Amino acid sequence: QQQVKQSPQSLIVQKGGISIINCAYENTAFDYFPWYQQFPGKGPALLIAIRPDVSEKKEGRFTISFNKSAKQFSLHIMDSQPGDSATYFCAAANNFGNEKLTFGTGTRLTIIP
Amino acid sequence: DAGITQSPRYKITETGRQVTLMCHQTWSHSYMFWYRQDLGHGLRLIYYSAAADITDKGEVPDGYVVSRSKTENFPLTLESATRSQTSVYFCASSAVYEQYFGPGTRLTVT
Repeated sequence: QQQVKQSPQSLIVQKGGISIINCAYENTAFDYFPWYQQFPGKGPALLIAIRPDVSEKKEGRFTISFNKSAKQFSLHIMDSQPGDSATYFCAAANNFGNEKLTFGTGTRLTIIP
Repeated sequence: DAGITQSPRYKITETGRQVTLMCHQTWSHSYMFWYRQDLGHGLRLIYYSAAADITDKGEVPDGYVVSRSKTENFPLTLESATRSQTSVYFCASSAVYEQYFGPGTRLTVT
């Protein structure tokens, strides 16, 4: 049962362009939405996260946009750089306090010169 | 060194053998997790633990056993390895929802 659907599976963006990855969820009890970044051979690492009381959060070139009514959230990477090439996972957690995250299936992002 | 470590980093085992993957964290985080990562499936939760001696099943627990006698350790045992358990296994610990992942163990079952 896929509770968090992520798209696209892979994405190629030119250097300097905007990378956009989308996620949709079903469980309205989710109240924490992080994005993780994973480089080859490494474990995932938290990139940026948002709670549903705001519609957007920006950290440097990375922005999360959140649409509560549509149950969707997305990651935007502005001025994409070759160093951003990695796999990105969206995730969601509910408010039951057990700190479990439900992950999307991942997006492999490649930034080309 | 502070952080979360996994051992071994690579393991090849035969079908039917028992194998244990180790996970150790130095932050004293209450929560710890085991995931497997497979192409097309992302990260799937195998087991998690809220504290020492408290464990619970995740999405794909069949064929796996965990224990947590000490806060800092969370070993994962495959009781009788199968080829379908060939995967990359990640351990994580968390504080206030942010999960910190180990470097992973690449397990191959032949």
